[in-house]
Amino acid sequence: GESVGLHLPTLSVQEGDNSIINCAYSNSASDYFIWYKQESGKGPQFIIDIRSNMDKRQGQRVTVLLNKTVKHLSLQIAATQPGDSAVYFCAENKDNQGGKLIFGQGTELSVKP
Amino acid sequence: DAGVIQSPRHEVTEMGQEVTLRCKPISGHDYLFWYRQTMMRGLELLIYFNNNVPIDDSGMPEDRFSAKMPNASFSTLKIQPSEPRDSAVYFCASSSSATRYYNEQFFGPGTRLTVL
Repeated sequence: GESVGLHLPTLSVQEGDNSIINCAYSNSASDYFIWYKQESGKGPQFIIDIRSNMDKRQGQRVTVLLNKTVKHLSLQIAATQPGDSAVYFCAENKDNQGGKLIFGQGTELSVKP
Repeated sequence: DAGVIQSPRHEVTEMGQEVTLRCKPISGHDYLFWYRQTMMRGLELLIYFNNNVPIDDSGMPEDRFSAKMPNASFSTLKIQPSEPRDSAVYFCASSSSATRYYNEQFFGPGTRLTVL
């Protein structure tokens, strides 16, 4: 029979362009958010995080924006490179849940040379 | 640090057999997580431990799945008996409550399980 799987949102960008990956989170009480990158055949790898008392946080070539009003998180990658091709996951945590993270479904980023 | 270590990296078994997946967390981390990743369901949390004690096992699919953490440096996830629908990549992750952003989880490379 035909298999049915997750159809990950896909973003295709040209090398050198900026990428914006979006994520809607579910719990208005969540107070900590992380972006992970997962390359093919590897485990998820931490990129950047942000606490709910911040709206923006910058790293090296990456920026995370948090809009608590509409429960939206975005990851901006500047000057996207072929090595950025991967699946990107956002994850949220509510402080009283200990270390538990709830992961989104992921977005596949494809960088064209 | 070597990071989170998982073994085996690949496992192929037949339906009905017992499967044991192993994980060594990063030294000093007090949280350990087991995840399952499939195309159908994405990345699912199965169970997590804090200081070797299971805290939340609500993600464990059924009684065929069990997890243990006998000490701070070792955990196992066992499936008995295994079924084809258990085929997935299983990840172990660890984190430390002592760090500034204590929820940053470090993932292992995963075990790709195929049940025939």
